Parts: sequence; C-alpha cells; structure tokens
Amino acid sequence: DAGVIQSPRHEVTEMGQEVTLRCKLISGHNSLFWYRQTMMRGLELLIYFNNNVPIDDSGMPEDRFSAKMPNASFSTLKIQPSEPRDSAVYFCASSLFSDSYEQYFGPGTRLTVT
Amino acid sequence: ILNVEQSPQSLHVQEGDSTNFTCSFPSSNFYALHWYRWETAKSPEALFVMTLNGDEKKKGRISATLNTKEGYSYLYIKGSQPEDSATYLCAFSPMGQNFVFGPGTRLSVLP
Repeated sequence: DAGVIQSPRHEVTEMGQEVTLRCKLISGHNSLFWYRQTMMRGLELLIYFNNNVPIDDSGMPEDRFSAKMPNASFSTLKIQPSEPRDSAVYFCASSLFSDSYEQYFGPGTRLTVT
Repeated sequence: ILNVEQSPQSLHVQEGDSTNFTCSFPSSNFYALHWYRWETAKSPEALFVMTLNGDEKKKGRISATLNTKEGYSYLYIKGSQPEDSATYLCAFSPMGQNFVFGPGTRLSVLP
C-alpha cells in the first residue's frame, strides 16, 4: 500500500489567494483527520471524518477554513482567503474505525503564505 | 481543554546511553495512549498504542509503560543510537478517535 498521499508537498502562495490541500486515504480506511503543525502550538487536530461525515470540526480556526470528503478515499482542506498566519505544515492521517484507532500520517504539505 | 504534557522538552544523550521520558495526561475518561516517533522532514510514525493500566509494550530497544490511574506513560530507549534521534510524541485519546497530542520530546543522540 502506498500509505496516505498528500499533495502538494509544498505550497507557496500570496495572501488572499485560495489554497487547496489534498489527501488520499489508505485503501480500506474509513476515518480521515486533518492536523496543523506549528512551532508555537505543536500538532493540532482541525477536523475529522468517519465514513465521509464530519464528526468534529471544533479545531477549524475560522470560517476561512473548510474541509470536504467528496468520496470515501479523498479529502480536501481549503483556505480562502489565505493569510500569512496560516503558514504551517498540514498533515492528513487516516485510520480504520476499530479498537485501536491507530492513525497513519501522510507526508504533510508545507504551506507558506507571503 | 485536555492537557497533555511531555518532559523533558529536549534531551541530548551520548550514543550507548539509555534514556527515558514522560507523557502526562488526564487520568479520567481514558481510552488509549499512543506513542509516535517523528523524524525531521518526515511524518509521525506509530510506535505503540496502549490501553490497559499496567500495559508494557516493547519494540526492539524501545519500550513503554502505562499508568492510567495516575495519568502517565514512560518511554524508554535502551542503548541509544544516532538513528533514534527524533521527536517522540504521545497522544491521549479520551474517546477513541479524538487524539490530543503532547508537545513532544526532542531527542538528540550524539555519536
């Protein structure tokens, strides 16, 4: 299995532009998590889905952020409009809804907003 | 807000030394405690998931213990090697899926 796939790996954009981050789950997994990692706040959960349904989006910073799962294996995280303070590494993780809930992380997308 | 703490924040040891660090978490509503290893420029990699008080898990030179009554877990590395250099994260799970990550312990093993 290829593991969790994220794209792009790096994104540099100007303030005000729309940014879309993409994530493909491990085949057979049914839960998807979006995290943001910064020096100041560490690894923070933004939102997670079970079977395409958003379960907890309390970590989403504000209305500029939105996440979707158009199908069982794919998710997008969109920031519109982007701001310099959104600069961070965004990780996606997938898991199988099971006893251990082990989460498998993708390689991350490093976002820089200038 | 659930608070997960890790100590020390960073650690430098010589190759061959054994070391350990701590993860503290709320002792109520415990479901699971996860340990991850995170190398620079890579993604976090799962080491252990621990669910029962008194659990002890081992993978090679790395082992972990769990005390849910007092809310802590220890990670031990025996005979540290330079390739062990990484940030070690713990994640507390009160309800199964929702992880709260600690800030991590950054380990540097000097040759």
